[in-house]
Amino acid sequence: GAGVSQSPSNKVTEKGKDVELRCDPISGHTALYWYRQSLGQGLEFLIYFQGNSAPDKSGLPSDRFSAERTGGSVSTLTIQRTQQEDSAVYLCASSLAGGQALAYGYTFGSGTRLTVV
Amino acid sequence: AQSVTQLDSHVSVSEGTPVLLRCNYSSSYSPSLFWYVQHPNKGLQLLLKYTSAATLVKGINGFEAEFKKSETSFHLTKPSAHMSDAAEYFCVVSTQGAQKLVFGQGTRLTINP
Repeated sequence: GAGVSQSPSNKVTEKGKDVELRCDPISGHTALYWYRQSLGQGLEFLIYFQGNSAPDKSGLPSDRFSAERTGGSVSTLTIQRTQQEDSAVYLCASSLAGGQALAYGYTFGSGTRLTVV
Repeated sequence: AQSVTQLDSHVSVSEGTPVLLRCNYSSSYSPSLFWYVQHPNKGLQLLLKYTSAATLVKGINGFEAEFKKSETSFHLTKPSAHMSDAAEYFCVVSTQGAQKLVFGQGTRLTINP
């Protein structure tokens, strides 16, 4: 598609429930990133996928968080047993790989606003 | 490790006056630097980027930034603010190999009529 698509745009869930957030990157972009933006905070890196390589999971805050990317395209971020501190906007971005990302830039989706009540 | 520090959490200017948003970076190698803008309830939009070409970078909507290695700075400027510039601005550095972006804490720009 023309841009990075994220769904849902808003999600309200009860504490303790699991949630899945979806990201559909730009066609042809091999790199995909998840970031979290909490109220009053900057953007926090969560995870990075590049092609068929093992993902960089160094930013995932706990083992309740996981992500996968099927077929090198769509990605799903899963949060298990949600907590109130998980409330944030979750942003997905995609880019061409490596140096091409710097030349052509990263494109962000509009995000999923997650509220845990 | 790479990092960026945005020196002001909030900047307020009058419409038609210059804008200066300050950013200092820390990097162990020649960095790639970006400025992104986020309007309320909108996604992040790339304003401009520096990738070791010209040190004065021009972006969209009249914004520009100058890479100064001696000062480790990448300040964002605009000669004349417009009401539509009111938003959150993020200074960003890319890690070597471009695996991830490291964001500053953001500067909220308010434009007074």
